[in-house]
Amino acid sequence: NAGVMQNPRHLVRRRGQEARLRCSPMKGHSHVYWYRQLPEEGLKFMVYLQKENIIDESGMPKERFSAEFPKEGPSILRIQQVVRGDSAAYFCASSPLDNNQPQHFGDGTRLSIL
Amino acid sequence: GESVGLHLPTLSVQEGDNSIINCAYSNSASDYFIWYKQESGKGPQFIIDIRSNMDKRQGQRVTVLLNKTVKHLSLQIAATQPGDSAVYFCAENQGNTDKLIFGTGTRLQVFP
Repeated sequence: NAGVMQNPRHLVRRRGQEARLRCSPMKGHSHVYWYRQLPEEGLKFMVYLQKENIIDESGMPKERFSAEFPKEGPSILRIQQVVRGDSAAYFCASSPLDNNQPQHFGDGTRLSIL
Repeated sequence: GESVGLHLPTLSVQEGDNSIINCAYSNSASDYFIWYKQESGKGPQFIIDIRSNMDKRQGQRVTVLLNKTVKHLSLQIAATQPGDSAVYFCAENQGNTDKLIFGTGTRLQVFP
């Protein structure tokens, strides 16, 4: 199965720690997107990246959150000094070079802050 | 303090009936629309998409209708099955960006 792979599936952190969420896009896909979902709500866009470039980070909080998609390896969403309000499901999606294609999602990382 | 959660609208249908899930989108500049199905504990799964130059598109057991005049999108599922039970989201993509704007979702419950 060459779908979008996210890990870990579940992540527990204490307030003040760092959380790192990883996403490997589908084979052949060069665009990666991160979304956040609270219970009973739709997904909210955070950031859009291509290899080594952040294209749109309009949905990212200004502090503590960062994302990267290096030339080699998975995309990383990093949350520093986590707070209780960061608890959510974080989903990664990818799409091919041609933008007129649907985004395909991974099964997410559920982040819980103690 | 007490927290108030949002409750998704729910559509309950009998197995074998047709289901219609509606969505109002926000931006008249949006030119690409997608329906996703999300099962508990999983990511959104692509169902069907439609571009703004069309008003109807059919897939296997699913049909999407687009009414640009009133900014309305619907998903029709024929002969609904228990496996169709999930939360369904519409998403819009505005032409000059690549981010998806998701609707609030509808929970579909299929009973025998």
